[in-house]
Amino acid sequence: TQLLEQSPQFLSIQEGENLTVYCNSSSVFSSLQWYRQEPGEGPVLLVTVVTGGEVKKLKRLTFQFGDARKDSSLHITAAQPGDTGLYLCAGYTGGFKTIFGAGTRLFVKA
Amino acid sequence: DVKVTQSSRYLVKRTGEKVFLECVQDMDHENMFWYRQDPGLGLRLIYFSYDVKMKEKGDIPEGYSVSREKKERFSLILESASTNQTSMYLCASSFLAGEIDTGELFFGEGSRLTVL
Repeated sequence: TQLLEQSPQFLSIQEGENLTVYCNSSSVFSSLQWYRQEPGEGPVLLVTVVTGGEVKKLKRLTFQFGDARKDSSLHITAAQPGDTGLYLCAGYTGGFKTIFGAGTRLFVKA
Repeated sequence: DVKVTQSSRYLVKRTGEKVFLECVQDMDHENMFWYRQDPGLGLRLIYFSYDVKMKEKGDIPEGYSVSREKKERFSLILESASTNQTSMYLCASSFLAGEIDTGELFFGEGSRLTVL
């Protein structure tokens, strides 16, 4: 069974703090996505990383794909209350197969 | 923007009832998926379809069936609902950009089903 371990599961921080979320697997992925989901809504795609070692930035969010394409991290700088939500990593192995992490529930207090 | 629309946001059904969940996407995507999302278990794939009238089982197909009669529409059917099918159901679509398959999924808003 292929697994994608995501940590931490829950994070509660003050506005302005930095944080990092990690996803790790023993499987090699052809690409990896990060999604954000708000309560009662579907996940929304934030970014896709494809190349080992790739770094992508989306405003205050920085995404990195591991060199071996088995792991990824999401770093948020100066978190805002609007960043509150469930963050999901998803590793794609091809052939319509996506493995989801269990999610990190982030709460940013004003 | 891609729009994936699920017909019902909230449903309450009784055990044994037949349940239809409808999903429509407006971007001519080839592939469509049905997932369920449960606390602590993450997203699990029920069924997917890569073309009209084609369907493939995912990881947890038992108790479910699907229908794809038109490219834009993918339906999930619970023939006889049970309490353990209480969940959030998410429809998604994806596409091939030429020969590039990134695996990016575009999700609908979700359908929260409660089976009593």
